[in-house]
Amino acid sequence: DVLLVESGGGLVKPGGSLRLSCAASGFTFSHAWMSWVRQAPGKGLEWIGRIKSNTEGGTVDYAAPVKGTFRISRDDSKDTLYLQMSNLRPEDTAVYYCSTPTSSGYSGAFDYWGQGTLVTVSS
Amino acid sequence: SYELTQPPSVSVSPGQTASITCSGDNLGDKYTCWFQQKPGQSPVQVIYQDEKRPSGIPERFSGSNSGNTATLTISGAQPMDEADYYCQAWDSSTAVFGTGTKVTVL
Repeated sequence: DVLLVESGGGLVKPGGSLRLSCAASGFTFSHAWMSWVRQAPGKGLEWIGRIKSNTEGGTVDYAAPVKGTFRISRDDSKDTLYLQMSNLRPEDTAVYYCSTPTSSGYSGAFDYWGQGTLVTVSS
Repeated sequence: SYELTQPPSVSVSPGQTASITCSGDNLGDKYTCWFQQKPGQSPVQVIYQDEKRPSGIPERFSGSNSGNTATLTISGAQPMDEADYYCQAWDSSTAVFGTGTKVTVL
């Protein structure tokens, strides 16, 4: 079974940094495109960015609000996706999810989601 | 930037049909996905590529997309379908989620 497990969330002060991880299992991670999506408390879903498989160039696309401050990477040897966040602001407070389109055959889908990890930015 | 607009709320009686709309410029030219999210849970994809249902999603969920509007239809709504629903589409290499619709079954 596909399993995505996010970790690394917690309380961080404004201006601080944090790295989230998403451990994947149950599918061929190295072939998968992976996305990060966040949800602020009581708000809707917001896409952060996506990384393609390294065999397809490993290209990363970001949402405009996080471009330049968030960085997505992957370690195929560890089946793990990362989200490096810097210069964090209170409005970055959210549950962060990783997701993959690994079963539908449509690269734009979000077939599987992790349970999410909460990031709180507060002094 | 591209935007997808949904009604904030939809109410439906059990066994009746609920329709949730998602509006965006020329949305019919893009593939739309739909997600169900219950309180405290991760989103679940219920429709992808406008009308396809993932394995395990009940047949009462269906989707369509044409012109500027995509629609998620729940035929014979069940109390378990009460949740927030989000549409999603790609604008070039950027994923955009809709504003979300709270579906109440009562």
